[in-house]
Amino acid sequence: GEDVEQSLFLSVREGDSSVINCTYTDSSSTYLYWYKQEPGAGLQLLTYIFSNMDMKQDQRLTVLLNKKDKHLSLRIADTQTGDSAIYFCAETTGYSSASKIIFGSGTRLSIRP
Amino acid sequence: EPEVTQTPSHQVTQMGQEVILRCVPISNHLYFYWYRQILGQKVEFLVSFYNNEISEKSEIFDDQFSVERPDGSNFTLKIRSTKLEDSAMYFCASAGGQRRETQYFGPGTRLLVL
Repeated sequence: GEDVEQSLFLSVREGDSSVINCTYTDSSSTYLYWYKQEPGAGLQLLTYIFSNMDMKQDQRLTVLLNKKDKHLSLRIADTQTGDSAIYFCAETTGYSSASKIIFGSGTRLSIRP
Repeated sequence: EPEVTQTPSHQVTQMGQEVILRCVPISNHLYFYWYRQILGQKVEFLVSFYNNEISEKSEIFDDQFSVERPDGSNFTLKIRSTKLEDSAMYFCASAGGQRRETQYFGPGTRLLVL
């Protein structure tokens, strides 16, 4: 069945790069997403990548997709205290907007001074 | 920037009571969803809704759950007889417009069943 796995915690020093990793099982994934959840808040879509791409860059965010290994990563350059949050990797297998999204457990990113 | 909104932000109810969670999706979106997140667990898909009918539902979405779009703006999730295990954060999402592949989530309703 569909499953998305990610490590639970990551701690980085302010100013360093953060790399959050994710693996998924469904080879028919079409879109892969990164959502951010700050304490008490909802799920904010950060970025997403179509499965025929292997990289996408958006300002401080870089998404890398290795479709062969079913591995997705999110790199946050120059990590700031405001980046402290839970980051969810997610995927969908549909092309239609009606398709459900499958989420990982989330990685809690904490920033050390 | 348009947002998905949800009310109430928190709801406490007694086991066996009915609750209605409300959502206002982004105005030009046509696809609507409910997800839930039990404390400490993954965000789980409940149901998707398009063209006034359910497109897909998960095993969680049993006969105690129903969804409705009663007017042109609201999208509701009803739980007929709440159970303790229904305690969770419930997220509404919508998709459509030019970026149909992305779902935008509301801030959630935290439901506590006592």
